[in-house]
Amino acid sequence: DIQMTQSPSSLSASVGDRVTITCRASQSISSYLNWYQQKPGKAPKLLIYAASSLQSGVPSRFSGSGSGTDFTLTISSLQPEDFATYYCQQSYSTPDFGPGTKVDIK
Amino acid sequence: QVQLQESGPGLVKPSETLSLTCTVSGGSISSYYWSWIRQPAGKGLEWIGRIYTSGSTNYNPSLKSRVTMSVDTSKNQFSLKLSSVTAADTAVYYCARDHHLADISGYDYNWFDPWGQGTLVTVSS
Repeated sequence: DIQMTQSPSSLSASVGDRVTITCRASQSISSYLNWYQQKPGKAPKLLIYAASSLQSGVPSRFSGSGSGTDFTLTISSLQPEDFATYYCQQSYSTPDFGPGTKVDIK
Repeated sequence: QVQLQESGPGLVKPSETLSLTCTVSGGSISSYYWSWIRQPAGKGLEWIGRIYTSGSTNYNPSLKSRVTMSVDTSKNQFSLKLSSVTAADTAVYYCARDHHLADISGYDYNWFDPWGQGTLVTVSS
């Protein structure tokens, strides 16, 4: 099984900050990696698919990069609506999600 | 745009079968994959399985022995049955469209979008 880890598990940031979240796979998954945003009581929302493709309608301040085992989600300038939990998901084998990174207000 | 809505009992007794239906509106269910994903309170996301509109299925090995999925294209619905439930199956259950994009390597990129709002299923006597 492919194990997915995320770091940090939580972070505190201010509006306007640049935020980077890392996702690591236990073996190479090429670019079969997606990112989701989840707000409390809501369903996850797709942000990035295939490691770096921005989903239609998602603000351009979100970007994804990486391949192989190491991936990053970057928010270039954090906005109030971006405080949420972020999950990565690999689709190389049985779909599996990372444990999540909670972004809250500093 | 396509919207998904889960429905089914919110309370299921231990050892019984959990049954949920996802209704797709704003588009046809045909020629797509559809998945179920669950999330226990305060925890992460677990993929349960997927079904294609032909009826072919693919389940998470960890749940495979207890999961059955079906599709009714005439009603634009697909369904989940999870048997022999325990308290560990208590979770919010989501349905989602499961996009696939073929890669020259023979693998499919896949991602989940959109998602239903989720429905809480509690397993308790």
